Amino acid sequence: GAVVSQHPSWVICKSGTSVKIECRSLDFQATTMFWYRQFPKQSLMLMATSNEGSKATYEQGVEKDKFLINHASLTLSTLTVTSAHPEDSSFYICSARGIQIQLYEQYFGPGTRLTVT
Amino acid sequence: AQKVTQAQTEISVVEKEDVTLDCVYETRDTTYYLFWYKQPPSGELVFLIRRNSFDEQNEISGRYSWNFQKSTSSFNFTITASQVVDSAVYFCALSETWRGGSEKLVFGKGTKLTVNP
Repeated sequence: GAVVSQHPSWVICKSGTSVKIECRSLDFQATTMFWYRQFPKQSLMLMATSNEGSKATYEQGVEKDKFLINHASLTLSTLTVTSAHPEDSSFYICSARGIQIQLYEQYFGPGTRLTVT
Repeated sequence: AQKVTQAQTEISVVEKEDVTLDCVYETRDTTYYLFWYKQPPSGELVFLIRRNSFDEQNEISGRYSWNFQKSTSSFNFTITASQVVDSAVYFCALSETWRGGSEKLVFGKGTKLTVNP
C-alpha cells in the first residue's frame, strides 16, 4: 500500500513553455503533498508543501509564480513549471502523507526528470 | 533549525566488505523522527527505516543495521557483507516534530556508495 505515482516520468520542453507534472496517491488519501527538486549529484530540496484545498506554502527562495502548485483533491497534486528555462532542468519528486496511514511517513513518487532545451 | 550532516560524500568498497554510513543531526525538538532512504540510479527513493526520538534501540534488518545514539545525535547505517546491488546514494533525513501533518523532512547531502565486484 501507500503508492504514489508521478506523470510524466520524464519530459523535454522548449525554453519559454510550461510543463505540468502530476502526483497521485493511488491507494490512500493524501492530505499533504510535498514537492522536492533535486539537481544532479545533490540532495533533495523542499520546494513547497501543499494541503488539500489550500494554497501551497513555498520555501524561501522558491518563486510561487513560476512553480504553480495545485492540490485540488485528496489524491492529486500538480506542479506547473511556467515559462521554463534551462536552469529549471532538474529531477522533481513529490511525496504524500495521509491521515489513514502512519504519521511522520512521507511516501515518495518515482520522480519526473525535466529537461528544458 | 534542523540540520542533517552526512560527512562522507562517496564511499567505495569491495563486495562482501562491511560499510558504515554516518549521519549526524541537529534539532531543538524533543520529538522527531529520523529516516534513511536509498536512491538507486533510477532515481526513485526507497524507504529503509524510520526511528523516533524515544526509541534508541538498535535495529537490524537482514544485512542492514542502524545505530541511534541520542547522546551524540547520530544515526549511523551499516551494511554487512555489501553487495553490488547496494550501490546507490543513501540519504539520512530528519522530520520536524508534529505540526498537524505538514512536518518537513530535512535531508542530508547523501553518501554515494559504490560496491565493486
